[in-house]
Amino acid sequence: GAVVSQHPSRVICKSGTSVKIECRSLDFQATTMFWYRQFPKQSLMLMATSNEGSKATYEQGVEKDKFLINHASLTLSTLTVTSAHPEDSSFYICSARVSGSSTDTQYFGPGTRLTVL
Amino acid sequence: DAKTTQPTSMDCAEGRAANLPCNHSTISGNEYVYWYRQIHSQGPQYIIHGLKNNETNEMASLIITEDRKSSTLILPHATLRDTAVYYCIVRPQNTGTASKLTFGTGTRLQVTL
Repeated sequence: GAVVSQHPSRVICKSGTSVKIECRSLDFQATTMFWYRQFPKQSLMLMATSNEGSKATYEQGVEKDKFLINHASLTLSTLTVTSAHPEDSSFYICSARVSGSSTDTQYFGPGTRLTVL
Repeated sequence: DAKTTQPTSMDCAEGRAANLPCNHSTISGNEYVYWYRQIHSQGPQYIIHGLKNNETNEMASLIITEDRKSSTLILPHATLRDTAVYYCIVRPQNTGTASKLTFGTGTRLQVTL
């Protein structure tokens, strides 16, 4: 199947700092990528849909100025958590959709665990 | 998106078939059934999907009832590495950015010796 990578896999930062997470589709082009957040013992919650070359679409309740998404190329999307606070500590997961194929399937990255002190 | 209902948890002995049910009684004609699983502290892994015909790949088989109101994911010979949360999701295909995945609570499958 298609491979999606994320970097870093784990990050610890101080409160008030910003953290950037990268999501790459390694062997396919993805015009659409998705960003999810998962708190302990909970399911994945979609944060935003990222489209290459255009602004991201955020889900209700997700602050677009706090979670900056950039999808500058067909293989890379970034999520920047600005002015992070302890409540932003979570498992952030991206996915990429294989566009132009018959399956239209989403493939997920391994996730990034963010801890804000 | 149509909602799905899955049992909260299931146990399966290693080497036996694991049959994970999913109810999707309000599924629309253009909606596919997708299955993903999430092993602890990892991203979800795509397993299989189907529309109305039964499907099989190297990981699993998907059996969809004729009325499409329910389906069963079958892992033919479960191993300890199959211990994970399994998500059944219905969504339309190829409908642009609106075609997003909505995760429910899934079924926690525990494979035991």
